[in-house]
Amino acid sequence: EVQLVQSGGGLVQPGGSLRLSCAASGFTFSNSWMHWVRQVPGKGLLWVSRINSDGSDTKYADSVKGRFTVSRDNTRNTLYLQMNNLRADDSAVYFCVRRELSENYYDFWGQGILVTVSS
Amino acid sequence: EIVMTQSPATLSVSPGETATLSCRASQSVGSSLAWYQQKPGRPPRLLFYGASTRATGIPVRFSATGSGTEFTLTINSLQSEDFAVYYCLHYNYWPYSFGQGTELETK
Repeated sequence: EVQLVQSGGGLVQPGGSLRLSCAASGFTFSNSWMHWVRQVPGKGLLWVSRINSDGSDTKYADSVKGRFTVSRDNTRNTLYLQMNNLRADDSAVYFCVRRELSENYYDFWGQGILVTVSS
Repeated sequence: EIVMTQSPATLSVSPGETATLSCRASQSVGSSLAWYQQKPGRPPRLLFYGASTRATGIPVRFSATGSGTEFTLTINSLQSEDFAVYYCLHYNYWPYSFGQGTELETK
């Protein structure tokens, strides 16, 4: 069974940092491209970042570029999102998402974790 | 970037009836279109990919059609558990983009 279990969210002050983790199991993590998607409660879904299977290629939404860093440890089957210089408008539920191997749609989602940026 | 537009924003339907949700792309995405269902406090759940291929475990009362720029999700004989928010996603090329969602509510 595919599982993506997230951790690391919480309350942080503006300008602060937080690292999200996403522990994968039930599939060959090192073969999968992984994405981060966020959602302000009650609002829509927005793509944040993605990383290829070996971690050599990353992309970011313009709103987080230069502040967020996506990485992965294929030996630990874990995806990370390092978030620095956080702003109030980064407050959202963050989902890690697996991209299906051959057809590229999002097939499995983590449970989501809330990040609140507030003083 | 392709803009995905869903309509209506909110759809009020009685249990047992049929709901029809629409998703339009600002340019062709071929068949690279997925539908998701999201309930409060839960992650999105994959319903369809390839515009019309039902994901594992999705009941047959759900169906999806379309290609190019116009897509439709139909839910027949609405059950109480079907009332949720539905999103479309294009994955034809980078960057992917979601529609803004349609909330299906009980009439």
